[in-house]
Amino acid sequence: DIVMTQSPDSLAVSLGERATINCKSSQSVISSANNRNYLVWYQQKPGQPPKALIYWASTRASGVPDRFSGSGSGTDFTLTINSLQAEDVAVYYCQQYRNTPFAFGPGTKVDIK
Amino acid sequence: EVQVVESGGGLEQPGRSLRLSCSASGFNFGDYVINWVRQAPGKGLEWVGFIRSRAYGATTDYAPSVRGRFTISRDDTTNIAYLQMNSLKVEDTAVYYCCRLPGNWGSDHPFDLWGQGTLVTVSS
Repeated sequence: DIVMTQSPDSLAVSLGERATINCKSSQSVISSANNRNYLVWYQQKPGQPPKALIYWASTRASGVPDRFSGSGSGTDFTLTINSLQAEDVAVYYCQQYRNTPFAFGPGTKVDIK
Repeated sequence: EVQVVESGGGLEQPGRSLRLSCSASGFNFGDYVINWVRQAPGKGLEWVGFIRSRAYGATTDYAPSVRGRFTISRDDTTNIAYLQMNSLKVEDTAVYYCCRLPGNWGSDHPFDLWGQGTLVTVSS
């Protein structure tokens, strides 16, 4: 089974500054059929369901502000939040869906410094 | 409105059973894989299992932690997916969400629609 890890566990960033979250998978999540990374990034705010921000590791979902960006391939991925806003305070998860069981990372909590 | 709504949660004793429902509207339910994801209080997200679309055989797959105890089914005539939970354990206590994935996983917009979840509490 693929295991997902994230770092850091939490971080505090000043408003307007950049937040960077890392995600690592124990195996590659690239499909040889289409050369895509089956990796999704989510944002979850308290009391709400997760919201998909990024899929294919780097494609922003509809309506997601362009300050959110994803990068990486294979086993190492990064979510970057440029110019952090107050509404970005949340827990962020990565998830692979290359193979079952689909696995989530443990989450990274982002706060305002 | 495009939405999924979970229901059926509640308090149940260890060893008993509970069935959750995921009711969909506003989209072609039959074209999607329906996933169940849970979140224990104060914890992270855990994928529970899914049922593929009928075009891909409506087959199921489960997390090791629930395999053999939980069963997912679907009724494309009523646009409802079910999560039958048997032999419940205290550690099954969580908010249970359903979410959709295009039937062809290679399509865009995976996991773009989630319900608000339903709380299952397993306690004696």
